[in-house]
Amino acid sequence: SAVISQKPSRDICQRGTSLTIQCQVDSQVTMMFWYRQQPGQSLTLIATANQGSEATYESGFVIDKFPISRPNLTFSTLTVSNMSPEDSSIYLCSVEGTVSLTDTQYFGPGTRLTVL
Amino acid sequence: GENVEQHPSTLSVQEGDSAVIKCTYSDSASNYFPWYKQELGKRPQLIIDIRSNVGEKKDQRIAVTLNKTAKHFSLHITETQPEDSAVYFCAASRSNDYKLSFGAGTTVTVRA
Repeated sequence: SAVISQKPSRDICQRGTSLTIQCQVDSQVTMMFWYRQQPGQSLTLIATANQGSEATYESGFVIDKFPISRPNLTFSTLTVSNMSPEDSSIYLCSVEGTVSLTDTQYFGPGTRLTVL
Repeated sequence: GENVEQHPSTLSVQEGDSAVIKCTYSDSASNYFPWYKQELGKRPQLIIDIRSNVGEKKDQRIAVTLNKTAKHFSLHITETQPEDSAVYFCAASRSNDYKLSFGAGTTVTVRA
């Protein structure tokens, strides 16, 4: 499976500021996703990061709040904009395993965000 | 959209006993069903998955069964060990979009 890294691993931010989270994969992958895991909860899909086009957002998530970039097949960023304490969560990227689609998704280590 | 329900929310078993977690899904177009294990402070790790053309899959002490007609699938862990203690998530997706819908999770505690 691909090796996935995320930066930063954790951060503490002030209300009203923005944070950009990076996801780097060591091989080319077709699909990249961003999930949110609120404390003690399950994982919720934020959006599909599309290479070369705008991300596809799930219900309840909007581009102004969570802008996403995917400039190539190994890298994506998620920005959490104008943060409030309710945005305190773990943010995880995931990748579909290989360039040839197989359904299997692997997760990055996550970014633990605390908003004060 | 897809709705995945998972039961029980917590499960405590004696070491050596079996653990069973059950999930149901709503979208008949879903055809891929992975299970993830998440230890405290760690990322979800894929432990086993099953596709809709298969009814059962086994990997050592872990097995998954799928009933497409009833739209439910289950995780079975045999001969449980303390290192099996974690939160387990089931999920479902369709091959046309690969987006995972997760169950709420089951906290498994294996008592020594």
